[in-house]
Amino acid sequence: GEQVEQRPPHLSVREGDSAIIICTYTDSATAYFSWYKQEAGAGLQLLMSVLSNVDRKEEQGLTVLLNKKDKRLSLNLTAAHPGDSAVYFCAVSAVGSALGRLHFGAGTQLIVIP
Amino acid sequence: DPKIIQKPKYLVAVTGSEKILICEQYLGHNAMYWYRQSAKKPLEFMFSYSYQKLMDNQTASSRFQPQSSKKNHLDLQITALKPDDSATYFCASSQDRGFNNQAPLFGEGTRLSVL
Repeated sequence: GEQVEQRPPHLSVREGDSAIIICTYTDSATAYFSWYKQEAGAGLQLLMSVLSNVDRKEEQGLTVLLNKKDKRLSLNLTAAHPGDSAVYFCAVSAVGSALGRLHFGAGTQLIVIP
Repeated sequence: DPKIIQKPKYLVAVTGSEKILICEQYLGHNAMYWYRQSAKKPLEFMFSYSYQKLMDNQTASSRFQPQSSKKNHLDLQITALKPDDSATYFCASSQDRGFNNQAPLFGEGTRLSVL
């Protein structure tokens, strides 16, 4: 089955710096890629999603890069601010019998220091 | 206003008892899901429903039974509760299982503690 590895588990950056989180996956049928943010005690907030035919997507200070050859997905928060402090999860989904099933990474605890 | 409502937010149960976790979505979505988040494991997919029909079940134990009385409802009944069931249970929904329009959106979760 699909295996999703996410790194780093913990990340501290200073306000204004960029933060990069990387996920790798194993299933070649993986077709849908998402990033979620979870603040303390809250649910998961969808940040951005890309389909497998997209290599790069930028929205509101976030950049998602997809390298299908290496089965690697990354999230880059440019100019991080304290409000970005949270746990970030990548989530991937394949087609076929696994349609609709998200596989999550273990999460990255991001702390943005003012 | 939250569009995916989960009740209760916190739940304490004794071992061996039964509880029902409630989920309603007001997004007009056709697919609904349950996920579990515990201290020991990453977020785990449990079930998916589409048009009130079970489409995918990745939960080994029959103690977990989803129930869909209406298109926008997907409750989760858990019987014979064990301490290992302690986790936060998230309900999610999407327009369809193919995520054509958007990835699933999640509720705030129900935090279950089994003593």
